[in-house]
Amino acid sequence: GAVVSQHPSRVICKSGTSVKIECRSLDFQATTMFWYRQFPKQSLMLMATSNEGSKATYEQGVEKDKFLINHASLTLSTLTVTSAHPEDSSFYICSARRGVEDEQFFGPGTRLTVL
Amino acid sequence: AQSVTQLDSQVPVFEEAPVELRCNYSSSVSVYLFWYVQYPNQGLQLLLKYLSGSTLVKGINGFEAEFNKSQTSFHLRKPSVHISDTAEYFCAVIFTGTASKLTFGTGTRLQVTL
Repeated sequence: GAVVSQHPSRVICKSGTSVKIECRSLDFQATTMFWYRQFPKQSLMLMATSNEGSKATYEQGVEKDKFLINHASLTLSTLTVTSAHPEDSSFYICSARRGVEDEQFFGPGTRLTVL
Repeated sequence: AQSVTQLDSQVPVFEEAPVELRCNYSSSVSVYLFWYVQYPNQGLQLLLKYLSGSTLVKGINGFEAEFNKSQTSFHLRKPSVHISDTAEYFCAVIFTGTASKLTFGTGTRLQVTL
């Protein structure tokens, strides 16, 4: 149990385009989902926390107009990178949890390459 | 300031040898502690966690860790590693009062060779 999926696993796009990444909890309802960014050979940096039905809370330094997060249901959250540029190239990982005291379950990640 | 430190960016070790991956944290509040493993191009898998109780925690794949409050450490150990243990290992901490957000260390690359 507690499986989290991400789609796509890999995406390559041209500079200036927008890219949507989906995060789904397959066998549980996730009240909270998290979005992380990981640069090569570096740690995970929390970008934002999203709770179902409410606006996402962004970490300091993360542009909310550039990284649009939607958590429309208890099993789906989406991250849209708007007007992507090469510096947005990264590995994006989501996680989901049932409740505040529950552990986070991580998705397999999405490799974004912006040309 | 609250922080998580993994001093070793890389740890090379021979197969069947023991290994210890170090993790220290800085905090003025209570903490919950975690170790995750990441294989190439994959997400994170929980190895073990300390929430309360016994300070020696056993996890999956033969790993264990010990919470040492006085030294603010949570080192990960395995008595005999395998080639398949080659991966990136992250220590993570939840500092109480932060809405259960995970703060990750910079990771340690465990490289197991024959």
